Amino acid sequence: AQSVTQPDIHITVSEGASLELRCNYSYGATPYLFWYVQSPGQGLQLLLKYFSGDTLVQGIKGFEAEFKRSQSSFNLRKPSVHWSDAAEYFCAVGYAGNMLTFGGGTRLMVKP
Amino acid sequence: DGGITQSPKYLFRKEGQNVTLSCEQNLNHDAMYWYRQDPGQGLRLIYYSQIVNDFQKGDIAEGYSVSREKKESFPLTVTSAQKNPTAFYLCASSMIRQAGANVLTFGAGSRLTVL
Repeated sequence: AQSVTQPDIHITVSEGASLELRCNYSYGATPYLFWYVQSPGQGLQLLLKYFSGDTLVQGIKGFEAEFKRSQSSFNLRKPSVHWSDAAEYFCAVGYAGNMLTFGGGTRLMVKP
Repeated sequence: DGGITQSPKYLFRKEGQNVTLSCEQNLNHDAMYWYRQDPGQGLRLIYYSQIVNDFQKGDIAEGYSVSREKKESFPLTVTSAQKNPTAFYLCASSMIRQAGANVLTFGAGSRLTVL
């Protein structure tokens, strides 16, 4: 069965610092990869997705993610974090014929 | 603006009662989904539907029921058989490309608390 791991439950960074949120998946087939963001008490919003092609993908709000097949990873990055980026971030993985599997989420806190 | 509307935003239920959460979309999406969110567990799929009058169980369907009588609507009933119903419930929809590649649009969620 496919699984998605986000190793960091909570991360705190200072405003203006760089950010990397980790996501690892299990399963050997070529995945479809997503990052979603959730503000408190709200639904999820798509940040970016990877289906094929260039392994570095750009998303909204200045986020990017890199697919590394050899490491089964799809880490999310942002060069300079803003206070408004404080939220919960979910990685999700899908395969042909299967529904999406979500990771447990990483809660980002931003220090002024 | 197109989107997904979930209601109510907050709902309190006594043990033994059934409750129904509403989900309406005006995106003309074919597929609709219900997820349950608990702290630290991510989102778990309850039910999904890819066409009117048809739906499939997800990973945690026990104690829940759905209907899909209209393309725009996918209500979820949390029955008294659900052992631990207190959670945040999210409805989503998507165009259908292929399972696993569908980009989901989410509603704002409904928080159910059992007293």
